[in-house]
Amino acid sequence: AQTVTQSQPEMSVQEAETVTLSCTYDTSESNYYLFWYKQPPSRQMILVIRQEAYKQQNATENRFSVNFQKAAKSFSLKISDSQLGDTAMYFCAFASQGGSEKLVFGKGTKLTVNP
Amino acid sequence: DTAVSQTPKYLVTQMGNDKSIKCEQNLGHDTMYWYKQDSKKFLKIMFSYNNKELIINETVPNRFSPKSPDKAHLNLHINSLELGDSAVYFCASSQRDRGTGNTIYFGEGSWLTVV
Repeated sequence: AQTVTQSQPEMSVQEAETVTLSCTYDTSESNYYLFWYKQPPSRQMILVIRQEAYKQQNATENRFSVNFQKAAKSFSLKISDSQLGDTAMYFCAFASQGGSEKLVFGKGTKLTVNP
Repeated sequence: DTAVSQTPKYLVTQMGNDKSIKCEQNLGHDTMYWYKQDSKKFLKIMFSYNNKELIINETVPNRFSPKSPDKAHLNLHINSLELGDSAVYFCASSQRDRGTGNTIYFGEGSWLTVV
């Protein structure tokens, strides 16, 4: 079974600075998808960024980018120019390509952006 | 134009009662899910339906019964509620083979409190 590990329960960063959230996963599959979801205090789950394992190029979405290291099974999220609105729980998630169609989540990292 | 909507958003009820949470998606997706987020914010899948057929049932007590009248709706009925059922329940949906890579879109969550 796949597992997702987020080793940083909490992190903080100053506004306008850059922060990196860590995620590692375990799988025997070669094709899969990885995601970062953001959950602000409102509790809504918001997709931040998505990466296909077969793509070597790291995904980027505006201020959000990932460092995907397939061999190391690592998928970190970098947030540049942090904003107060980035304060939230961030969840790393894994999904198989086809098959069971479910997301396996890490336990989350609580990020606080300080003014 | 909420993509995945669930009702009610908040629900407080007594132990032993039976309650339902409804979910509807207008994304045209063929797969819907129920996830549970516990008090420690850990997210775990409960059920998944593809074209109205149950494809995932993750060791959930029989008191939980999902029903999918059509592929745009997935309801969750809970019998004989227990204190441990208190959680946030998220409905979600996705579409296979649309190049979205199993991207799952979540509703806003239903906060269930059992007293």
